[in-house]
Amino acid sequence: DAKTTQPPSMDCAEGRAANLPCNHSTISGNEYVYWYRQIHSQGPQYIIHGLKNNETNEMASLIITEDRKSSTLILPHATLRDTAVYYCIVRVVNFGTGNQFYFGTGTSLTVIP
Amino acid sequence: SAVISQKPSRDICQRGTSLTIQCQVDSQVTMMFWYRQQPGQSLTLIATANQGSEATYESGFVIDKFPISRPNLTFSTLTVSNMSPEDSSIYLCSVDDTMNTEAFFGQGTRLTVV
Repeated sequence: DAKTTQPPSMDCAEGRAANLPCNHSTISGNEYVYWYRQIHSQGPQYIIHGLKNNETNEMASLIITEDRKSSTLILPHATLRDTAVYYCIVRVVNFGTGNQFYFGTGTSLTVIP
Repeated sequence: SAVISQKPSRDICQRGTSLTIQCQVDSQVTMMFWYRQQPGQSLTLIATANQGSEATYESGFVIDKFPISRPNLTFSTLTVSNMSPEDSSIYLCSVDDTMNTEAFFGQGTRLTVV
């Protein structure tokens, strides 16, 4: 079962920052928070992940609260190509059976011109 | 990074028949994963396939319906057996390169059962 909760949809003006929230109140100490996005008719694309520290890469920033019960993905300057469904995922580590991803319902982000 | 190729990219099948989906990776990987994405829904993990052993299925998925092969470290197949319209979905292959701590996904196979 999914361990994350996200708003079903959000809008963002082009050029502005998109802040996508995620709740993961039951996260365990060794579980990572991952963000993927899926543009229509394509496979999910990795964005960023983190354990407890804030992370930044060329695509986005990930802010994780100190208690790790929630996080926010920030797209600093949203473009029309960022319109997609964004999934916040808690990574379950199972030695011997791999690292499964359990996807939640995601947030459908629409970037508006 | 890993490049994943899935075949076929899409198919339309008659109910009662079976379809085998192939997943080829450009590098050796330990674990391969199969997901289903029903229309308008999120991804659901079907099973984990480890080379040399039987696949591990998630709750609600059984081997008779979704048999999986994993003959080597770069290839896997998922068969959707005795199909019904409810099996119409996108089926995605994924690999988890633990060295990169990242999962890579194929483009999926869009299956329509009529």
